[in-house]
Amino acid sequence: QKEVEQDPGPLSVPEGAIVSLNCTYSNSAFQYFMWYRQYSRKGPELLMYTYSSGNKEDGRFTAQVDKSSKYISLFIRDSQPSDSATYLCAMSSSGSARQLTFGSGTQLTVLP
Amino acid sequence: GAVVSQHPSWVICKSGTSVKIECRSLDFQATTMFWYRQFPKQSLMLMATSNEGSKATYEQGVEKDKFLINHASLTLSTLTVTSAHPEDSSFYICKLDRDTEAFFGQGTRLTVV
Repeated sequence: QKEVEQDPGPLSVPEGAIVSLNCTYSNSAFQYFMWYRQYSRKGPELLMYTYSSGNKEDGRFTAQVDKSSKYISLFIRDSQPSDSATYLCAMSSSGSARQLTFGSGTQLTVLP
Repeated sequence: GAVVSQHPSWVICKSGTSVKIECRSLDFQATTMFWYRQFPKQSLMLMATSNEGSKATYEQGVEKDKFLINHASLTLSTLTVTSAHPEDSSFYICKLDRDTEAFFGQGTRLTVV
């Protein structure tokens, strides 16, 4: 079993839809949770960063962490074609970006 | 602005040749840099940790003689894929850490023909 599981998709939604992306994990020591966005043939860029359980909102993006279920989510409201990318979840137990464990990524396409 | 610069963004080479990929830290001195490999529709896999002034630390299963890492200065790490073969074709990405945040290079798409 992988430490981090992420549905690879692909996921296609119409413009304006609410998108839900999810990851599950098995290591209960993970406390730091991140979402990265990766455009085609580019390096990942940090989108959201959360610590422990709870919600964090940034514009159209909301990250949720449920440590009891070992489940994290990223919601995108009013999705735009420019949101089309691969979204990678990542997590760490140490708070150091050096020891990130990544999900395999979910490919999202927002259709105009 | 960009924190990390990775070059080249793509390269095509013949089987048996060597390819060098550069990763530069633009904003701060990085004593440690990380090299990842990503196959299509797969996760980022850590290959090695590059330490300035000392030998790199390789992950299990990564051939250190094939993937040569040099971190000669606090702003530059290089990954050289030696005697490349088609199975080495992949997306290679470097990463720097500053506090709790990770910054990735733009990635290098290597195609070995």
